[in-house]
Amino acid sequence: SQKIEQNSEALNIQEGKTATLTCNYTNYSPAYLQWYRQDPGRGPVFLLLIRENEKEKRKERLKVTFDTTLKQSLFHITASQPADSATYLCALGHTGGFKTIFGAGTRLFVKA
Amino acid sequence: DAEITQSPRHKITETGRQVTLACHQTWNHNNMFWYRQDLGHGLRLIHYSYGVQDTNKGEVSDGYSVSRSNTEDLPLTLESAASSQTSVYFCASSESKKGANLGEQFFGPGTRLTVL
Repeated sequence: SQKIEQNSEALNIQEGKTATLTCNYTNYSPAYLQWYRQDPGRGPVFLLLIRENEKEKRKERLKVTFDTTLKQSLFHITASQPADSATYLCALGHTGGFKTIFGAGTRLFVKA
Repeated sequence: DAEITQSPRHKITETGRQVTLACHQTWNHNNMFWYRQDLGHGLRLIHYSYGVQDTNKGEVSDGYSVSRSNTEDLPLTLESAASSQTSVYFCASSESKKGANLGEQFFGPGTRLTVL
């Protein structure tokens, strides 16, 4: 069955450092991969999308890589700030449909 | 500003009761989705709709139903609530156009449902 794995352990980093979160998947050939941010008590908010034919995407301090051979995406936040503390979810989608499957998310804590 | 709202935000009900959770979006999106979020499982798709009169089952649809009579609303009904349906429920919508942010979903604030 299709499976998405994100590190269930929280990631703790110091302010100013780069946070790197991992999303691995099996039994799936996604056409695109998305990253969302979720704050406690709120719905997820879309951050970035990367398509299967793209290796890397950047948006301000965010960078996403997508390796379809390794079946892995890495999500980087450079110069991290305490305000970046949240849960980050990856989601996979396939061509021809708009529904996605979500990972369970990784909680990030950035200490001042 | 366009938005997606859910009501109620919190609901406590008893086993066996029928419950309906409302979802309303003003984005004019064709696609709408219902998820439940439980610790350790992330977001799991319950039902989804690609337009008026269209509904489809997701991975955890047993015990739930939806109907789509207009673009703006996709109510979720629990026919006979069970304790296993205690969860946080999120509604989302997205465009049908395959643009730059393909499949970007806009989420509501969630409904916390407790079934006693």
